[in-house]
Amino acid sequence: QQQVKQSPQSLIVQKGGISIINCAYENTAFDYFPWYQQFPGKGPALLIAIRPDVSEKKEGRFTISFNKSAKQFSLHIMDSQPGDSATYFCAARIVYAGNMLTFGGGTRLMVKP
Amino acid sequence: GAGVSQSPRYKVAKRGQDVALRCDPISGHVSLFWYQQALGQGPEFLTYFQNEAQLDKSGLPSDRFFAERPEGSVSTLKIQRTQQEDSAVYLCASSPIFSGQGNQPQHFGDGTRLSIL
Repeated sequence: QQQVKQSPQSLIVQKGGISIINCAYENTAFDYFPWYQQFPGKGPALLIAIRPDVSEKKEGRFTISFNKSAKQFSLHIMDSQPGDSATYFCAARIVYAGNMLTFGGGTRLMVKP
Repeated sequence: GAGVSQSPRYKVAKRGQDVALRCDPISGHVSLFWYQQALGQGPEFLTYFQNEAQLDKSGLPSDRFFAERPEGSVSTLKIQRTQQEDSAVYLCASSPIFSGQGNQPQHFGDGTRLSIL
């Protein structure tokens, strides 16, 4: 059973545009939702994270929107740049139950110059 | 270096051979995690250590997989009698806190790419 579903699988955006990646989760016990960025041959690197008691969090060009009732959250990348081209993973974890991450399937983002 | 270090970066083995993958976490990090990432997929949890104690191994796919962290720092993931389906990138992550102590991020290494022929 896939506990975190991510869409789309791939995304092409023009430079300067907005990239939007969506995730949905099933387990209501999840209480921490990070987004990771992964470049080829590298490990995932934390971008931004949110707790479910907050509806939105912004850090620079990256914004997480969180809808607890719908069990959905999304990543918005404003003013997308070619250097943002990477694979993005949403994840979820239960902080008080081991901290292991449950990842979505990933979105391969390409930003065209 | 300051990050999580994994070795080897690449490992090719014949089906049936045993392999050992090493993870050097960030110094002082209490928690250590192993994940398996198949090609084009998200990482999947394998096992979790808090210091030297293996607190969760529910993600290990079979009894051919074994992990240890005897002194609470370096960890080794061992796969016995490898099969082709074991081909994947194995990622190690560490975190500075005990389970339940807030939202400290997991810091990932660059992984070991294992190919079973």
